Amino acid sequence: GAGVSQSPRYKVAKRGQDVALRCDPISGHVSLFWYQQALGQGPEFLTYFQNEAQLDKSGLPSDRFFAERPEGSVSTLKIQRTQQEDSAVYLCASSLVRTENTEAFFGQGTRLTVV
Amino acid sequence: DAKTTQPNSMESNEEEPVHLPCNHSTISGTDYIHWYRQLPSQGPEYVIHGLTSNVNNRMASLAIAEDRKSSTLILHRATLRDAAVYYCILRRSGGGADGLTFGKGTHLIIQP
Repeated sequence: GAGVSQSPRYKVAKRGQDVALRCDPISGHVSLFWYQQALGQGPEFLTYFQNEAQLDKSGLPSDRFFAERPEGSVSTLKIQRTQQEDSAVYLCASSLVRTENTEAFFGQGTRLTVV
Repeated sequence: DAKTTQPNSMESNEEEPVHLPCNHSTISGTDYIHWYRQLPSQGPEYVIHGLTSNVNNRMASLAIAEDRKSSTLILHRATLRDAAVYYCILRRSGGGADGLTFGKGTHLIIQP
């Protein structure tokens, strides 16, 4: 496809379960970002990859959150032992390069509900 | 990255121009001004960006004040599909945060 694809679109997890969220960026895009968006708030940065290297993980809220991009294309955000406060929309974005003079393309997000 | 200030919400009528303001009084000389919008149940969508000069594209125009402490996103003829949250974001050249800092944005309501 032409855009950023995220799956699943919706995920319901029981508290304590592990979840894995997938992001397929636009082909050829070097930079990949994950964001978390709580209800009624703007997206908040979680982590950034340049190819397969995770260069910034300063936004990950706890060590239960883990992201990888092993071959520099598809990325997975994993949340272990989910808690209710993890309920949010998780957005993935990619850009050709990471500069201030380029645009980022966002997926539609995965809505995670922890019950 | 420097902070931006936007009104919480604005209302406009369909087929009229809309001017969305953004204040960024602490902007540095290397900060680019970006605008994104987010339609309901969608991911954010890039609208436009600029550094010093006014910019136009098929979606909108960006007017940047001479001192760069403020900017205005202009939708020339609003439609119901333009109802969204609009985010004004600064991106620093040669450093700064890796991700976009969104803030709360302006919720634009379009009346038919």
